[in-house]
Amino acid sequence: DVKVTQSSRYLVKRTGEKVFLECVQDMDHENMFWYRQDPGLGLRLIYFSYDVKMKEKGDIPEGYSVSREKKERFSLILESASTNQTSMYLCASSSQRESDTQYFGPGTRLTVL
Amino acid sequence: SQQGEEDPQALSIQEGENATMNCSYKTSINNLQWYRQNSGRGLVHLILIRSNEREKHSGRLRVTLDTSKKSSSLLITASRAADTASYFCATDAKQTGANNLFFGTGTRLTVIP
Repeated sequence: DVKVTQSSRYLVKRTGEKVFLECVQDMDHENMFWYRQDPGLGLRLIYFSYDVKMKEKGDIPEGYSVSREKKERFSLILESASTNQTSMYLCASSSQRESDTQYFGPGTRLTVL
Repeated sequence: SQQGEEDPQALSIQEGENATMNCSYKTSINNLQWYRQNSGRGLVHLILIRSNEREKHSGRLRVTLDTSKKSSSLLITASRAADTASYFCATDAKQTGANNLFFGTGTRLTVIP
């Protein structure tokens, strides 16, 4: 079974803090994704990566950056957290061979005070 | 935006009844998927239907796709309380190196025991 893990289920940070959200997958997937999920807005793609050290902007990259130094790990970075970044953050991965299906982590609920 | 939209936003039924959820999208697709999300958790892939297919079954799930109307439906037969969750449709958009998905805002299904 594919397993995607996220470093925290719940996180509370203060405005201006630098925040790291980590995601690890154990299925040697090439593609990894970061989404945020907000009520009434569904899932919105922040960044994605299809290879180590590669990154592409999604629909809402502003205020975020990412890092993919190793194939299994994709990190989302909030350089200076703001209250409007309070959200549920979901990481997903997929393989190039079966790229249609994405496998999701359990999510990190981030609250920025 | 290619984002899908589910209808209805919320659905409440009695255990044993069938639940039907609909999804509409805007542009041509290669495939459409349905995902399920239990409250506060990540998404789980349920079923994928390709653009050249009209109907697909998996257990108690039946998915139809009408590419002329750009719509899909998910039918859950003989619903159970454990089916209570949010259901999302996702359409693909082939881009260089990774297949991104566009998610709708979801249908919240409540199955009353």
